[in-house]
Amino acid sequence: GDSVTQMEGPVTLSEEAFLTINCTYTATGYPSLFWYVQYPGEGLQLLLKATKADDKGSNKGFEATYRKETTSFHLEKGSVQVSDSAVYFCALQILTGGGNKLTFGTGTQLKVEL
Amino acid sequence: KAGVTQTPRYLIKTRGQQVTLSCSPISGHRSVSWYQQTPGQGLQFLFEYFSETQRNKGNFPGRFSGRQFSNSRSEMNVSTLELGDSALYLCASSSPPPQGPSSYNEQFFGPGTRLTVL
Repeated sequence: GDSVTQMEGPVTLSEEAFLTINCTYTATGYPSLFWYVQYPGEGLQLLLKATKADDKGSNKGFEATYRKETTSFHLEKGSVQVSDSAVYFCALQILTGGGNKLTFGTGTQLKVEL
Repeated sequence: KAGVTQTPRYLIKTRGQQVTLSCSPISGHRSVSWYQQTPGQGLQFLFEYFSETQRNKGNFPGRFSGRQFSNSRSEMNVSTLELGDSALYLCASSSPPPQGPSSYNEQFFGPGTRLTVL
């Protein structure tokens, strides 16, 4: 079946540090890949996406590149802020015959300190 | 445009009871999906409804059911509640995808309903 593996948290960084959260996947078809973010007490928000190999998704300084050869979609940000503290989820979706099932990783909590 | 709304936001029930959660999608969205979020299992897909029909289903027991109305609002029901059903239940809505090989359905999530089973 489809699955997503992402690095365990929590990840604690100082403000302005470089962030990498690793994500790898296993898929039965050709997936679209996503990063979602969840702030405390809120639902999920789509952070960025990539729908085919070598696509780079980017938003709010975050980036991730769809690497088919390594089945990876690592999240990066050059300089994190305290406001980036949240839980980050990597997810995939197979687009076959419609349907909206997202398969999520376990989530990585990020804490950014001053 | 209003976002996805879920009611109630918090719910406390006891074992053996049943519960109904409601989700109102973004106006114009016809697909509603439900997910269960727990610390142990993470985010797991429950089911998806599209135009009042269940289109996808996850690996949950029959105690978990849902339905969708003609206005796209959806409800999910859990019967004979167990302690392990305590979770945050999230719903997400999306509109039909654009055509093309890279089309995808962006899903917009509601804030969730926090269910506690005592």
